[in-house]
Amino acid sequence: DAKTTQPTSMDCAEGRAANLPCNHSTISGNEYVYWYRQIHSQGPQYIIHGLKNNETNEMASLIITEDRKSSTLILPHATLRDTAVYYCIVKMNGGFKTIFGAGTRLFVKA
Amino acid sequence: GAVVSQHPSWVICKSGTSVKIECRSLDFQATTMFWYRQFPKQSLMLMATSNEGSKATYEQGVEKDKFLINHASLTLSTLTVTSAHPEDSSFYICSAPLGAGSDEQFFGPGTRLTVL
Repeated sequence: DAKTTQPTSMDCAEGRAANLPCNHSTISGNEYVYWYRQIHSQGPQYIIHGLKNNETNEMASLIITEDRKSSTLILPHATLRDTAVYYCIVKMNGGFKTIFGAGTRLFVKA
Repeated sequence: GAVVSQHPSWVICKSGTSVKIECRSLDFQATTMFWYRQFPKQSLMLMATSNEGSKATYEQGVEKDKFLINHASLTLSTLTVTSAHPEDSSFYICSAPLGAGSDEQFFGPGTRLTVL
Protein backbone atom coordinates (compact mmCIF):
# COMPACT_ATOMS: atom_id res chain seq x y z
CA ASP A 1 0.00 0.00 0.00
CA ALA A 2 1.19 3.51 -0.80
CA LYS A 3 2.53 5.68 1.98
CA THR A 4 0.92 8.97 2.99
CA THR A 5 2.28 12.18 4.49
CA GLN A 6 0.16 14.41 6.71
CA PRO A 7 0.91 17.42 8.91
CA THR A 8 1.38 16.47 12.53
CA SER A 9 -1.22 18.86 13.86
CA MET A 10 -3.59 21.63 12.83
CA ASP A 11 -5.84 24.14 14.52
CA CYS A 12 -9.24 25.27 13.33
CA ALA A 13 -11.75 27.76 14.71
CA GLU A 14 -15.17 26.41 15.58
CA GLY A 15 -17.64 26.99 12.77
CA ARG A 16 -14.96 27.40 10.13
CA ALA A 17 -13.99 24.85 7.52
CA ALA A 18 -11.18 22.49 8.42
CA ASN A 19 -9.01 21.52 5.45
CA LEU A 20 -6.75 18.56 6.13
CA PRO A 21 -4.14 17.81 3.44
CA CYS A 22 -2.59 14.48 2.58
CA ASN A 23 0.21 13.64 0.17
CA HIS A 24 0.26 10.23 -1.47
CA SER A 25 2.62 10.67 -4.39
CA THR A 26 3.26 6.94 -4.83
CA ILE A 27 -0.40 5.96 -5.10
CA SER A 28 -1.11 3.36 -7.76
CA GLY A 29 -3.99 3.34 -10.18
CA ASN A 30 -6.16 0.88 -8.28
CA GLU A 31 -5.65 2.35 -4.83
CA TYR A 32 -8.29 4.40 -3.09
CA VAL A 33 -7.89 7.25 -0.63
CA TYR A 34 -9.62 6.59 2.69
CA TRP A 35 -10.05 8.92 5.63
CA TYR A 36 -10.71 7.79 9.19
CA ARG A 37 -10.69 9.72 12.43
CA GLN A 38 -10.10 8.70 16.01
CA ILE A 39 -11.51 10.64 18.90
CA HIS A 40 -9.54 10.23 22.09
CA SER A 41 -9.81 6.75 23.65
CA GLN A 42 -12.25 5.50 21.02
CA GLY A 43 -11.96 3.23 17.99
CA PRO A 44 -11.41 4.83 14.57
CA GLN A 45 -14.42 5.99 12.61
CA TYR A 46 -14.74 5.85 8.84
CA ILE A 47 -15.28 9.25 7.23
CA ILE A 48 -15.09 8.99 3.47
CA HIS A 49 -13.18 7.43 0.59
CA GLY A 50 -12.65 7.99 -3.12
CA LEU A 51 -10.71 6.91 -6.17
CA LYS A 52 -10.34 9.97 -8.38
CA ASN A 53 -13.56 11.93 -8.29
CA ASN A 54 -14.39 14.31 -5.50
CA GLU A 55 -16.73 12.81 -2.95
CA THR A 56 -19.12 14.28 -0.41
CA ASN A 57 -21.20 12.77 2.35
CA GLU A 58 -22.91 14.00 5.48
CA MET A 59 -19.63 14.22 7.35
CA ALA A 60 -17.13 15.66 4.92
CA SER A 61 -15.91 16.29 1.40
CA LEU A 62 -12.89 14.68 -0.21
CA ILE A 63 -11.03 16.55 -2.91
CA ILE A 64 -8.50 14.50 -4.89
CA THR A 65 -6.12 16.23 -7.26
CA GLU A 66 -6.20 15.28 -10.92
CA ASP A 67 -2.86 13.48 -10.70
CA ARG A 68 -4.12 11.75 -7.53
CA LYS A 69 -0.89 12.52 -5.71
CA SER A 70 -2.61 14.46 -2.98
CA SER A 71 -6.02 15.00 -1.44
CA THR A 72 -7.79 17.24 1.04
CA LEU A 73 -10.43 16.31 3.56
CA ILE A 74 -12.82 19.17 4.23
CA LEU A 75 -15.01 19.43 7.31
CA PRO A 76 -17.26 22.30 6.22
CA HIS A 77 -18.25 23.62 9.65
CA ALA A 78 -15.95 22.25 12.31
CA THR A 79 -17.31 21.76 15.82
CA LEU A 80 -15.51 21.06 19.08
CA ARG A 81 -16.52 17.41 18.71
CA ASP A 82 -14.45 17.19 15.54
CA THR A 83 -11.27 17.42 17.60
CA ALA A 84 -9.56 14.12 16.79
CA VAL A 85 -6.69 12.47 14.96
CA TYR A 86 -7.45 12.20 11.25
CA TYR A 87 -5.83 9.43 9.26
CA CYS A 88 -5.39 9.46 5.51
CA ILE A 89 -4.87 5.94 4.19
CA VAL A 90 -4.27 4.67 0.70
CA LYS A 91 -5.21 1.11 -0.08
CA MET A 92 -6.81 -1.11 -2.62
CA ASN A 93 -10.57 -1.35 -2.58
CA GLY A 94 -11.72 -4.47 -0.78
CA GLY A 95 -8.15 -5.07 0.42
CA PHE A 96 -9.30 -4.84 3.98
CA LYS A 97 -6.01 -4.58 5.79
CA THR A 98 -5.79 -0.96 6.89
CA ILE A 99 -2.36 0.36 7.81
CA PHE A 100 -2.40 3.56 9.82
CA GLY A 101 0.19 6.31 9.60
CA ALA A 102 0.75 9.01 12.19
CA GLY A 103 -2.27 11.08 11.14
CA THR A 104 -3.06 14.74 11.78
CA ARG A 105 -4.16 15.87 15.20
CA LEU A 106 -6.90 18.45 14.60
CA PHE A 107 -7.74 20.84 17.41
CA VAL A 108 -11.01 22.73 16.98
CA LYS A 109 -11.03 25.79 19.21
CA ALA A 110 -13.96 27.86 20.43
CA GLY B 1 -24.87 1.22 10.60
CA ALA B 2 -22.93 -1.92 11.36
CA VAL B 3 -21.55 -2.20 14.86
CA VAL B 4 -18.52 -3.93 16.28
CA SER B 5 -18.33 -4.39 20.03
CA GLN B 6 -15.48 -5.32 22.33
CA HIS B 7 -15.49 -6.80 25.79
CA PRO B 8 -14.25 -5.81 28.23
CA SER B 9 -13.84 -2.09 27.63
CA TRP B 10 -11.05 -2.03 30.17
CA VAL B 11 -9.19 -4.59 32.26
CA ILE B 12 -6.51 -4.51 34.93
CA CYS B 13 -4.55 -7.66 35.61
CA LYS B 14 -1.49 -8.85 37.44
CA SER B 15 1.75 -9.59 35.66
CA GLY B 16 1.93 -13.20 34.52
CA THR B 17 -1.80 -13.72 34.06
CA SER B 18 -3.64 -14.13 30.76
CA VAL B 19 -6.34 -11.82 29.52
CA LYS B 20 -8.97 -12.56 26.86
CA ILE B 21 -10.53 -9.77 24.80
CA GLU B 22 -13.62 -10.41 22.68
CA CYS B 23 -14.56 -8.73 19.44
CA ARG B 24 -18.07 -9.20 18.08
CA SER B 25 -19.79 -8.09 14.92
CA LEU B 26 -23.30 -7.35 16.12
CA ASP B 27 -25.43 -7.24 13.00
CA PHE B 28 -23.28 -8.73 10.29
CA GLN B 29 -21.02 -11.70 9.72
CA ALA B 30 -17.29 -11.23 9.48
CA THR B 31 -15.08 -13.97 8.07
CA THR B 32 -12.13 -11.68 8.71
CA MET B 33 -11.36 -9.43 11.64
CA PHE B 34 -8.29 -7.38 12.43
CA TRP B 35 -6.56 -6.72 15.72
CA TYR B 36 -4.63 -3.53 16.41
CA ARG B 37 -2.62 -2.23 19.34
CA GLN B 38 -2.16 1.41 20.19
CA PHE B 39 0.27 2.86 22.71
CA PRO B 40 -0.30 6.35 24.17
CA LYS B 41 0.16 9.16 21.67
CA GLN B 42 0.96 6.68 18.90
CA SER B 43 -0.93 5.42 15.89
CA LEU B 44 -2.66 2.06 15.57
CA MET B 45 -0.37 -0.84 14.80
CA LEU B 46 -1.84 -3.84 13.01
CA MET B 47 -1.08 -7.00 14.95
CA ALA B 48 -2.86 -9.76 13.08
CA THR B 49 -5.63 -10.80 10.75
CA SER B 50 -8.15 -13.17 12.27
CA ASN B 51 -9.69 -15.65 9.85
CA GLU B 52 -12.84 -17.62 10.66
CA GLY B 53 -12.14 -21.32 10.69
CA SER B 54 -8.40 -21.02 10.08
CA LYS B 55 -5.23 -19.75 11.65
CA ALA B 56 -4.62 -16.08 12.16
CA THR B 57 -2.02 -14.24 10.12
CA TYR B 58 0.39 -12.24 12.24
CA GLU B 59 2.29 -9.13 11.24
CA GLN B 60 6.05 -9.14 11.40
CA GLY B 61 7.35 -8.82 14.93
CA VAL B 62 4.14 -9.92 16.64
CA GLU B 63 4.56 -13.09 18.69
CA LYS B 64 1.82 -15.55 17.83
CA ASP B 65 2.36 -17.56 21.00
CA LYS B 66 2.02 -14.41 23.06
CA PHE B 67 -1.11 -13.10 21.37
CA LEU B 68 -3.45 -16.00 20.73
CA ILE B 69 -6.25 -15.36 18.29
CA ASN B 70 -9.32 -17.52 17.86
CA HIS B 71 -12.04 -16.83 15.33
CA ALA B 72 -14.49 -19.62 16.08
CA SER B 73 -17.62 -18.11 14.59
CA LEU B 74 -18.63 -15.58 11.97
CA THR B 75 -19.37 -12.99 14.62
CA LEU B 76 -16.69 -13.51 17.26
CA SER B 77 -12.93 -13.23 17.39
CA THR B 78 -10.93 -13.37 20.61
CA LEU B 79 -7.46 -12.12 21.42
CA THR B 80 -5.75 -13.65 24.44
CA VAL B 81 -2.70 -11.91 25.82
CA THR B 82 -0.81 -14.72 27.51
CA SER B 83 1.47 -14.20 30.49
CA ALA B 84 0.88 -10.48 30.34
CA HIS B 85 3.61 -8.07 31.42
CA PRO B 86 3.50 -4.32 32.04
CA GLU B 87 4.86 -3.64 28.54
CA ASP B 88 1.71 -5.28 27.14
CA SER B 89 -0.37 -2.50 28.64
CA SER B 90 -2.02 -0.85 25.67
CA PHE B 91 -5.27 -0.03 23.89
CA TYR B 92 -6.38 -3.02 21.82
CA ILE B 93 -8.80 -2.39 18.95
CA CYS B 94 -10.48 -4.81 16.58
CA SER B 95 -12.13 -4.16 13.25
CA ALA B 96 -14.22 -6.04 10.73
CA PRO B 97 -15.14 -5.38 7.10
CA LEU B 98 -18.84 -5.39 6.34
CA GLY B 99 -18.47 -8.25 3.88
CA ALA B 100 -16.17 -9.96 1.43
CA GLY B 101 -14.65 -7.28 -0.75
CA SER B 102 -16.46 -4.53 1.12
CA ASP B 103 -15.02 -1.03 1.28
CA GLU B 104 -16.44 -0.45 4.69
CA GLN B 105 -14.54 -1.48 7.77
CA PHE B 106 -15.95 -0.96 11.23
CA PHE B 107 -13.87 -0.57 14.33
CA GLY B 108 -14.67 -1.61 17.86
CA PRO B 109 -14.52 0.88 20.74
CA GLY B 110 -11.26 -0.60 22.02
CA THR B 111 -10.14 -2.38 25.19
CA ARG B 112 -7.69 -0.72 27.53
CA LEU B 113 -5.40 -3.26 29.17
CA THR B 114 -3.32 -2.34 32.18
CA VAL B 115 -0.89 -4.92 33.50
CA LEU B 116 0.41 -4.26 37.01
